[in-house]
Amino acid sequence: IAGITQAPTSQILAAGRRMTLRCTQDMRHNAMYWYRQDLGLGLRLIHYSNTAGTTGKGEVPDGYSVSRANTDDFPLTLASAVPSQTSVYFCASSRTSGENTDTQYFGPGTRLTVL
Amino acid sequence: GQNIDQPTEMTATEGAIVQINCTYQTSGFNGLFWYQQHAGEAPTFLSYNVLDGLEEKGRFSSFLSRSKGYSYLLLKELQMKDSASYLCAVLDSNYQLIWGAGTKLIIKP
Repeated sequence: IAGITQAPTSQILAAGRRMTLRCTQDMRHNAMYWYRQDLGLGLRLIHYSNTAGTTGKGEVPDGYSVSRANTDDFPLTLASAVPSQTSVYFCASSRTSGENTDTQYFGPGTRLTVL
Repeated sequence: GQNIDQPTEMTATEGAIVQINCTYQTSGFNGLFWYQQHAGEAPTFLSYNVLDGLEEKGRFSSFLSRSKGYSYLLLKELQMKDSASYLCAVLDSNYQLIWGAGTKLIIKP
């Protein structure tokens, strides 16, 4: 593994189903982020984690949950998917956060379609 | 509210120079990033400005004026591989990145 990996690459999901998007980084970065990217809109932050064991809500957290049990993994869960959650989801990480925020590096993305 | 404005789309010719503008209104300012994103791929870091002035990095330069809430990305000697979207993002007072919708740059031969 080199950098950030995400799985699955793409997924079609029935509305109401539960889904977990996986994200793993091997750079030992402290901070990790989940964004969604929709056509015509900028990347929007869903949830973030400044360090293992802590998480925070971003701009659009409703309908999503995250956990950060260790440094490397940051899964995003949709408890009951709805069509408005159709989007491309990017996981990102940075060495530091807060006042010493460093460059964010992005995974390849997961394209999710909710029908 | 917080707002980042960029042109939606620009067209330029191979070998030429293009300037992509970004204006912002955010709650606080702790730096501005430019990222490049090819279609279907992840954003990749291009530049970071926190002080006023020009930062040059090869064919790419980025300028910042904090008093005007303005930045631009300058791409010289355009190549076909520069066809991509260019994303402007501002680190706000909570140290969260606020992203513009991106500028799609089309390079013609």
